[in-house]
Amino acid sequence: DTGVSQNPRHKITKRGQNVTFRCDPISEHNRLYWYRQTLGQGPEFLTYFQNEAQLEKSRLLSDRFSAERPKGSFSTLEIQRTEQGDSAMYLCASSLGAVQSDTQYFGPGTRLTVL
Amino acid sequence: AQSVTQLGSHVSVSEGALVLLRCNYSSSVPPYLFWYVQYPNQGLQLLLKYTTGATLVKGINGFEAEFKKSETSFHLTKPSAHMSDAAEYFCAVSLYNAGNNRKLIWGLGTSLAVNP
Repeated sequence: DTGVSQNPRHKITKRGQNVTFRCDPISEHNRLYWYRQTLGQGPEFLTYFQNEAQLEKSRLLSDRFSAERPKGSFSTLEIQRTEQGDSAMYLCASSLGAVQSDTQYFGPGTRLTVL
Repeated sequence: AQSVTQLGSHVSVSEGALVLLRCNYSSSVPPYLFWYVQYPNQGLQLLLKYTTGATLVKGINGFEAEFKKSETSFHLTKPSAHMSDAAEYFCAVSLYNAGNNRKLIWGLGTSLAVNP
């Protein structure tokens, strides 16, 4: 068990560019979550997957945001035409998806800065 | 509406003093409760969780929390603060949403400062 990993850890981009982040969950976990966190705030839910199926998306997730988990393992989050308001920490978490206690384990996050 | 309230966005204690971080929730069904800690520029690390059974839960780094149903609270405590405890602490509640899936509802966090 190597934990949840995220790449890159930091990304600086210019407004209008596209960016893609990757998340590798804990290997046996079938649920994967994406959150956004701005300074001084708690995580804001963006979307989650059960295996390869995207089961829920937040209203925060505009059409510039898209997430995939094609084989039910790693996931990517793409932001098109980035805006300065997209600057935040993007967190990925995974869980077993068990009914009893669906504990989410978080990766280190990707910090995005849009200039 | 389901919600989580963390009383005090900033808490400051002296090294060696008791740490008490407050969390209250609102829920019409039994919740699962979590405390996470976040160090600067890092992801969130699970401190402890309550699902069922014993209401006093022990976690990592000497932290513990007690689920009090009558008070709808899940306060986090540590008898003696250490400088390394300085971090942001988040309380979260896992509740069933309309799709019958459990979803985490997060508090806004409490920043803990430990003074020498």
